[in-house]
Amino acid sequence: EAGVTQSPTHLIKTRGQQATLRCSPISGHTSVYWYQQALGLGLQFLLWYDEGEERNRGNFPPRFSGRQFPNYSSELNVNALELEDSALYLCASTRSGQDGDTQYFGPGTRLTVL
Amino acid sequence: AQSVTQPDIHITVSEGASLELRCNYSYGATPYLFWYVQSPGQGLQLLLKYFSGDTLVQGIKGFEAEFKRSQSSFNLRKPSVHWSDAAEYFCAVAPGGYQKVTFGTGTKLQVIP
Repeated sequence: EAGVTQSPTHLIKTRGQQATLRCSPISGHTSVYWYQQALGLGLQFLLWYDEGEERNRGNFPPRFSGRQFPNYSSELNVNALELEDSALYLCASTRSGQDGDTQYFGPGTRLTVL
Repeated sequence: AQSVTQPDIHITVSEGASLELRCNYSYGATPYLFWYVQSPGQGLQLLLKYFSGDTLVQGIKGFEAEFKRSQSSFNLRKPSVHWSDAAEYFCAVAPGGYQKVTFGTGTKLQVIP
């Protein structure tokens, strides 16, 4: 069974540009979570999608947005990139939105903003 | 607001020795608690979680954690550490499920032969 996949592995952008990160959950999983791991700020919860809907978001500005597609894959968009957006972005999935499910992570996308 | 404190930034243990990583949390009600491990070769992985019930939680890779409400702690333990356990460990707290989770700053574990 394939795990959670993320693309691209690395992404280099300049300030003001937009970045799009993609995540494919484990087959059969409907819930997708996004996290940011930035130097100095640690791991932070970004967004949660379940069954195609955004269910919750962390303390991030609106320029961080995303969506979940009918096949449950997800996209994270970061508009008007700032230097401090440089981070490892991790995606995770669970079988459903139920608390008891185990969470599985992808390898991450390293975003560098110059 | 919820918060997590991992007081040890870096810990070194000998292979075969026991391990305890400390985690203290602040949250008004009974929280959801997690331990994650992050290693270069395997990325971030959920070790174990506590939602309710038995306060001693068993996880993967031989780890366990104990929820102590009176001490607001959720310490991670392993009776015998293996070299492959060298990694960074994160404790986390959430009001419910995996959403709105707050992570600790992490403890880096070094294992010496």
